[in-house]
Amino acid sequence: QVHLVQSGAEVKQPGASVKVSCKASGYTFSNYNLHWVRQAPGQGFEWMGISRTTSETTNYAQKFQGRVTMTRDTSTGTGYMDLSSLRFEDTAVYYCARGGGTGWKDWGQGTLVTVSS
Amino acid sequence: QAVVTQEPSLTVSPGGTVTLTCGSSTGAVTSGHYPYWFQQKPGQAPRTLIYDTINKHSWTPARFSGSLLGGTAALTLSGAQPEDEGEYHCLLSYSGARVFGGGTKLTVL
Repeated sequence: QVHLVQSGAEVKQPGASVKVSCKASGYTFSNYNLHWVRQAPGQGFEWMGISRTTSETTNYAQKFQGRVTMTRDTSTGTGYMDLSSLRFEDTAVYYCARGGGTGWKDWGQGTLVTVSS
Repeated sequence: QAVVTQEPSLTVSPGGTVTLTCGSSTGAVTSGHYPYWFQQKPGQAPRTLIYDTINKHSWTPARFSGSLLGGTAALTLSGAQPEDEGEYHCLLSYSGARVFGGGTKLTVL
């Protein structure tokens, strides 16, 4: 059974960085892309980017270019999303989802990141 | 970046039929946009109902179907149930980048 387990909630100050992890189990991590998505309170979803298996490349949404870094550790089956220069409007629930032809079948439980002074 | 549009809200009667649509600012939505539909209940993570326009997951109730309709991607619910009330989000692919619509709040009343 596939599981994506994300790290716990974070509270950060404006200007700081946050790193959210997404630990996969139940499948071969290196064979599937990982998408990162966020949802601000009461808002819709925003696609942030994809961490691909092929040569471990990434594609980021234009909005987050320069502020987001997505990495993956194949040895532990964990994906990471690092967002820097945090602003109040980055307060959101951040999700990882398994891609790569699975139809986004599997999602993490979400990680609440609160940006507050 | 493209803008993906959805109806902000829709209401359907129990047992009724409703169609949610997903449009693109770049023109007609095609199968090449690989439309996805997600359902979200309050306080829960989303779950994927439809992917690549028409494909369902094992948990997708048969009353949901995906299609292309009049230049948009469409999610049709036939025989609405009270448990279908929630938010529905579509996602389109643009040469690898993905863009979500704003979501549709569906009320079954």
